Amino acid sequence: QKEVEQNSGPLSVPEGAIASLNCTYSDRVSQSFFWYRQYSGKSPELIMSIYSNGDKEDGRFTAQLNKASQYVSLLIRDSQPSDSATYLCAVVSGSARQLTFGSGTQLTVLP
Amino acid sequence: DTAVSQTPKYLVTQMGNDKSIKCEQNLGHDTMYWYKQDSKKFLKIMFSYNNKELIINETVPNRFSPKSPDKAHLNLHINSLELGDSAVYFCASSQAGRGVAGSYEQYFGPGTRLTVT
Repeated sequence: QKEVEQNSGPLSVPEGAIASLNCTYSDRVSQSFFWYRQYSGKSPELIMSIYSNGDKEDGRFTAQLNKASQYVSLLIRDSQPSDSATYLCAVVSGSARQLTFGSGTQLTVLP
Repeated sequence: DTAVSQTPKYLVTQMGNDKSIKCEQNLGHDTMYWYKQDSKKFLKIMFSYNNKELIINETVPNRFSPKSPDKAHLNLHINSLELGDSAVYFCASSQAGRGVAGSYEQYFGPGTRLTVT
């Protein structure tokens, strides 16, 4: 079983719609959760961190965490073509507190 | 004033050669990492150094050897390069690490695209 799982997509949404990206993780004691955005040919860029159950909002982005279900999601409201990228879910786990990444979800926002 | 920098950006070399990639961070972070991203875009950790001490050493061939001269620098030396080493290598840093309090948010360098022919 993969430690961090994401739907690989591709996920396509029309401009202005809400894009919903999902992630599950296997380590029950994980405490820190991150979403990274990676444009083609670029490096991963941290866009959201979440540590407590519930929602965390930052502009058009909302991260949601449910530790009981071992589930974290990212909502992008009013999606723009510039949001088209691969979104990586990452979880801090293990005794060395390393960051484990999911395989990423490719998002395309259609004009 | 780039936060995490890597050199070179591109590296094309032949099988059997030895090459190095350099990484520097000016964020004042204590922990640095090397990741490999393959053609399927999966990002996998290779090594982690916390204040010059190796704390993560994943299953990586012995041909790969990290070196950390100080906590702001982490270099990666690769011996006897093979075709399968072709990938993008990312350096990253974070404030926290094993035994070090702080944020585990990691910040990535621009990457080094290694092509072995």
